Amino acid sequence: GAGVSQSPSNKVTEKGKDVELRCDPISGHTALYWYRQSLGQGLEFLIYFQGNSAPDKSGLPSDRFSAERTGGSVSTLTIQRTQQEDSAVYLCASSLEARDYNEQFFGPGTRLTVL
Amino acid sequence: AQSVTQLGSHVSVSEGALVLLRCNYSSSVPPYLFWYVQYPNQGLQLLLKYTSAATLVKGINGFEAEFKKSETSFHLTKPSAHMSDAAEYFCAVSDRTGRRALTFGSGTRLQVQP
Repeated sequence: GAGVSQSPSNKVTEKGKDVELRCDPISGHTALYWYRQSLGQGLEFLIYFQGNSAPDKSGLPSDRFSAERTGGSVSTLTIQRTQQEDSAVYLCASSLEARDYNEQFFGPGTRLTVL
Repeated sequence: AQSVTQLGSHVSVSEGALVLLRCNYSSSVPPYLFWYVQYPNQGLQLLLKYTSAATLVKGINGFEAEFKKSETSFHLTKPSAHMSDAAEYFCAVSDRTGRRALTFGSGTRLQVQP
């Protein structure tokens, strides 16, 4: 079956612009996670959804970052007024449920470059 | 707070040699532990996971890992390296306190020499 898909695969934007990153989880997976992978910080957790609600937003680095999930499926991560330090690969993952022992299946990521 | 330490950001082995990638964790409660592999320009793929059943866990592609509570370690091994094993490997911990996030180590890049 289809895995987690993310779009776009690459995004180049100018500092100060807003960007939207999309994630399509595996069908039937109720939990969805966003991570950021950067050279300086490694892999960092940003936010997770169980269904459409986000119980833990503690990883969002600033109020310029927001995420939503509709219909228990697709999720969008929005970064407003992008800064150069936002440049990173943004990874999305999904799992059957938000359980600590469940495998998280990762998408290929969106590489964001802020000029 | 939990953390994961991967010793060695780069490891180089010869084809056919033993692969040993080290992972130590710090957690206030017995954790769930994972090893993921990332090939260039791809997402992360689960190799294996420890969820408090058997301490020796076998995964895909011939990899295995042993959970040692006394050493707070979860090292990844493979008896004989293949060229196709060249990738970046991440150890991760889920701390069972309900946060649901994985905390990742900094990664180890494995190079396999012919």
